[in-house]
Amino acid sequence: EAAVTQSPRSKVAVTGGKVTLSCHQTNNHDYMYWYRQDTGHGLRLIHYSYVADSTEKGDIPDGYKASRPSQENFSLILELASLSQTAVYFCASSDWQGNTEVFFGKGTRLTVV
Amino acid sequence: QQQVRQSPQSLTVWEGETAILNCSYEDSTFNYFPWYQQFPGEGPALLISIRSVSDKKEDGRFTIFFNKREKKLSLHITDSQPGDSATYFCAAGYGNEKITFGAGTKLTIKP
Repeated sequence: EAAVTQSPRSKVAVTGGKVTLSCHQTNNHDYMYWYRQDTGHGLRLIHYSYVADSTEKGDIPDGYKASRPSQENFSLILELASLSQTAVYFCASSDWQGNTEVFFGKGTRLTVV
Repeated sequence: QQQVRQSPQSLTVWEGETAILNCSYEDSTFNYFPWYQQFPGEGPALLISIRSVSDKKEDGRFTIFFNKREKKLSLHITDSQPGDSATYFCAAGYGNEKITFGAGTKLTIKP
């Protein structure tokens, strides 16, 4: 069964600190994504990647970096965490981009204080 | 500007009733419309999808009705069960472009 695993599942970070969210998939998918979920905004795409060592900006990339060191792993990095980045973050993967099923992880709840 | 809009933001129906969730979109090139279901503490999961060549897609108690001319679609959940309580996301995409999600409808089924 397709699996996307995120760590940590929850985290409290201090304003101005560095935060790294990790994601691992065993689906053998080329595409991986980082989404942010906020009440009233649904799921918004931050960064995505379709091949190792390459990342692309999504719709709301400001304040975030991404890293794809291998096909299986995709990280989201907040260099200087801010209060406005408090949200639930989802990693996802898919065979390709477009008309295909996207498989999501269980999410990471990030609270910046 | 939101490309995909959902209404209502929240909906409560009684067990056994039909829940109707609405979705509309802006971009007429969209041709793939998946609905994702999300339970609290979980990630979204694909529930049912439709392509623009069809006007209806049925899977058990879940049916998508699609109106290409009006750029609207709806998800009907018949004989609603408490276990259907979740947030439902409408999404849209085309070709090899990334899909766009709506803001979601939180559905509560009262027993």
